[in-house]
Amino acid sequence: GQNIDQPTEMTATEGAIVQINCTYQTSGFNGLFWYQQHAGEAPTFLSYNVLDGLEEKGRFSSFLSRSKGYSYLLLKELQMKDSASYLCAVSPWGDSSYKLIFGSGTRLLVRP
Amino acid sequence: DSGVTQTPKHLITATGQRVTLRCSPRSGDLSVYWYQQSLDQGLQFLIQYYNGEERAKGNILERFSAQQFPDLHSELNLSSLELGDSALYFCASSARDSVETQYFGPGTRLLVL
Repeated sequence: GQNIDQPTEMTATEGAIVQINCTYQTSGFNGLFWYQQHAGEAPTFLSYNVLDGLEEKGRFSSFLSRSKGYSYLLLKELQMKDSASYLCAVSPWGDSSYKLIFGSGTRLLVRP
Repeated sequence: DSGVTQTPKHLITATGQRVTLRCSPRSGDLSVYWYQQSLDQGLQFLIQYYNGEERAKGNILERFSAQQFPDLHSELNLSSLELGDSALYFCASSARDSVETQYFGPGTRLLVL
């Protein structure tokens, strides 16, 4: 089966660092994506990991450990506009589709 | 702006009715994915098309169907609508039929009364 877990909500302070964790159990693995979604809007792509390790892109970094079925998204120098849901998604392997299986998302509230 | 367009933006209809949601992928993209996002639910994969052909189905109800046309735009048809079908419907596109970033359209918010 497919299972992706993330915390439901997190709160952090403007200017701080926050780490959003994601654990997954899927039938095969083609890669892991992180998307940002503001309420009522489209998800927007943040990062993609297929190999173990850290990928850094500006204020955002994403880490993957395939052996542990674990990823995290690290947001630095938090800004108010970072208040949004963060979606962890896995591309499973084996059924000829490159669909994404999404977690329920982590709602991040950034406070002044 | 992802380059993916969806119409209409909002749709209000009654139970038992049928609606059609339209999606135009980014220029050059051949793959189109449809996802449903209900209130407080994660995005659920419905169906994928690649270059006009159906590639995979997720938990799509038999009342729902889709197609991709020669110009690569796609339509999702929802029939015999029920209250529980109220949701945000997103389409996403990618260039090929492979593991790559999917770019999401702005979504269609469907409300069934």
